[in-house]
Amino acid sequence: TQLLEQSPQFLSIQEGENLTVYCNSSSVFSSLQWYRQEPGEGPVLLVTVVTGGEVKKLKRLTFQFGDARKDSSLHITAAQPGDTGLYLCAGPQGGSEKLVFGKGTKLTVNP
Amino acid sequence: KAGVTQTPRYLIKTRGQQVTLSCSPISGHRSVSWYQQTPGQGLQFLFEYFSETQRNKGNFPGRFSGRQFSNSRSEMNVSTLELGDSALYLCASSSTGFVTEAFFGQGTRLTVV
Repeated sequence: TQLLEQSPQFLSIQEGENLTVYCNSSSVFSSLQWYRQEPGEGPVLLVTVVTGGEVKKLKRLTFQFGDARKDSSLHITAAQPGDTGLYLCAGPQGGSEKLVFGKGTKLTVNP
Repeated sequence: KAGVTQTPRYLIKTRGQQVTLSCSPISGHRSVSWYQQTPGQGLQFLFEYFSETQRNKGNFPGRFSGRQFSNSRSEMNVSTLELGDSALYLCASSSTGFVTEAFFGQGTRLTVV
C-alpha cells in the first residue's frame, strides 16, 4: 500500500507570513493532487501535478512535484485568514481510481 | 455544471440500526468513490464504482456495502451500526482518464448513539 506522509500536522501562523507544507512517500505516484477542506465540508481540489519537477502556481499558492514523483510541497506566500483549512495531498494507488490521502496539515492563519 | 450532491447532510442513528447514504455525481462522471473521514484515521477509501460495477474496495468490514445505478447515482449502506461508524462520509466523482482527480460532495455526517 502506498502511503503519503504530511508535515507538519498542525500549523498556526500570523497573517502575512509564508509557509510550506510537505507531502512525502517512499512510493512513486503517477500524479498528486492537493485539496483544501473546511470544517464540515468536502475537500476541494486545488491542483494536480503530473510531471516530475513540475511547478504550478495558483495566485499565492505554489505547488511543486518532486523530480522522482515521490514528494510534493505547497508554499503559501503572505497567508491570509481565508487560507485557513485542512490541506490534504492525495495520489492514485496502483493506477486505479482509488485515491490514497495523507492525514493532512491543519493550517490556521490568525488575523 | 452541478457538483456532487450527497443526501442527507446529517444523520443520527442508534447502534444496531442500518443507514443508506446517497450520492449524485457530476453529470458525465461515471466513477463514484466513497470515503470515510474520522479525526484519527483521516480519509479512508471504502469502495469505487464504475458503470454499476465495484472496481475497487478498501479494508472495511462487510457491513459496508454500496451500489451504483445506471444513471451513475450511488448509494452506500452500513448495517448493524457501531459507535465507531460515526464519521463524515464523503462521495467523490471522477471521469476516467490518465489523471485521477476527485470532486467531492459536502459529505454526510453520521452520528451513531
